[in-house]
Amino acid sequence: EAQVTQNPRYLITVTGKKLTVTCSQNMNHEYMSWYRQDPGLGLRQIYYSMNVEVTDKGDVPEGYKVSRKEKRNFPLILESPSPNQTSLYFCASSFSGGGYGYTFGSGTRLTVV
Amino acid sequence: GQQVMQIPQYQHVQEGEDFTTYCNSSTTLSNIQWYKQRPGGHPVFLIQLVKSGEVKKQKRLTFQFGEAKKNSSLHITATQTTDVGTYFCAKNSGGSNYKLTFGKGTLLTVNP
Repeated sequence: EAQVTQNPRYLITVTGKKLTVTCSQNMNHEYMSWYRQDPGLGLRQIYYSMNVEVTDKGDVPEGYKVSRKEKRNFPLILESPSPNQTSLYFCASSFSGGGYGYTFGSGTRLTVV
Repeated sequence: GQQVMQIPQYQHVQEGEDFTTYCNSSTTLSNIQWYKQRPGGHPVFLIQLVKSGEVKKQKRLTFQFGEAKKNSSLHITATQTTDVGTYFCAKNSGGSNYKLTFGKGTLLTVNP
């Protein structure tokens, strides 16, 4: 089944403890992206990647890192999480070019205490 | 980046009534995408509009792209309880998906 898989689905962590949220897609998509969703603020793009080893900042990149060493994987790294990073995170992927929408993962609900 | 503005923020309807959400941009868009997110779910791609004045239909859903390519609308005819969710429009940069900016969405609730 074609899908974007995120892990974990839920995570509670403490301030300052490094964590990684994994994302993998099996559709051979070039583009991958991370979004966070907060009440009243909608979906905001954190980072995106156009292909292997090509990444760039979205609208809210502060406090996050990403890497794209393989086409299928796009992990999101929080080196020192803070409470304001408590949010619902979505990974998404797409073919390049026009006409294709993003396929989203099921989301990771992160709580930083 | 420049956002797209969506109105209304919330809409509550009786089942069977029609529903419309609007998406407006201050700049000309290369294209516009629409997504639906069910409560507790993830966004699901519905459609992309590219041409000025374009109208596309998916069963009871009608999508329009304005002549000036600065606005778009999603109209649902005779809503059903399965239509409940948040509808987002999204714009991308230069026709490619890598930088996709979402509106804040319209939450639709349907009273059976």
